[in-house]
Amino acid sequence: KAGVTQTPRYLIKTRGQQVTLSCSPISGHRSVSWYQQTPGQGLQFLFEYFSETQRNKGNFPGRFSGRQFSNSRSEMNVSTLELGDSALYLCASTAGNMNTEAFFGQGTRLTVV
Amino acid sequence: EDQVTQSPEALRLQEGESSSLNCSYTVSGLRGLFWYRQDPGKGPEFLFTLYSAGEEKEKERLKATLTKKESFLHITAPKPEDSATYLCAVHMDSNYQLIWGAGTKLIIKP
Repeated sequence: KAGVTQTPRYLIKTRGQQVTLSCSPISGHRSVSWYQQTPGQGLQFLFEYFSETQRNKGNFPGRFSGRQFSNSRSEMNVSTLELGDSALYLCASTAGNMNTEAFFGQGTRLTVV
Repeated sequence: EDQVTQSPEALRLQEGESSSLNCSYTVSGLRGLFWYRQDPGKGPEFLFTLYSAGEEKEKERLKATLTKKESFLHITAPKPEDSATYLCAVHMDSNYQLIWGAGTKLIIKP
């Protein structure tokens, strides 16, 4: 069974640009969550999508957005990049029910210069 | 406020020196507690799920236990390859979202 796939693995962008990250969940999983991880902040929840609908949202500015497609693949977009957006962005997939473990991708390392 | 606290922040052990990591939580209506291991630059890797007080689960040198207010991850005779950051997260009654602790960075010296 293929795991969670995130692309690209690494990105370097300039301040003010925008970026789109992609996540393909485990086959059959309907929920995708996105997290931002920085050394000082740990895992910060961005949002969760279930069956193409945003089900939960964290406390991030509107520059951070996402969507989910009918095949459960998800994308997140960050517009007007800031230096502080440099982080490891992680995607996790679950079946979507309570108490099911989340499986993570390897992450996308975004560096904003 | 719903909260998950892990301690210590960092732990250095000699190879073979057993110890425990702590995850305490203050949430209303715990539905499940999860332990993960994360290596630098990689995504967290699932280890255990615990659902009710008194439950225990084991995997190789790791054993996770759960009480009504906290969980422990016991590591017995650790090896250098057990070095990683260990994260815990909880699911509560009212929300599908996981609440994460900040993690414990475990370093095992040969």
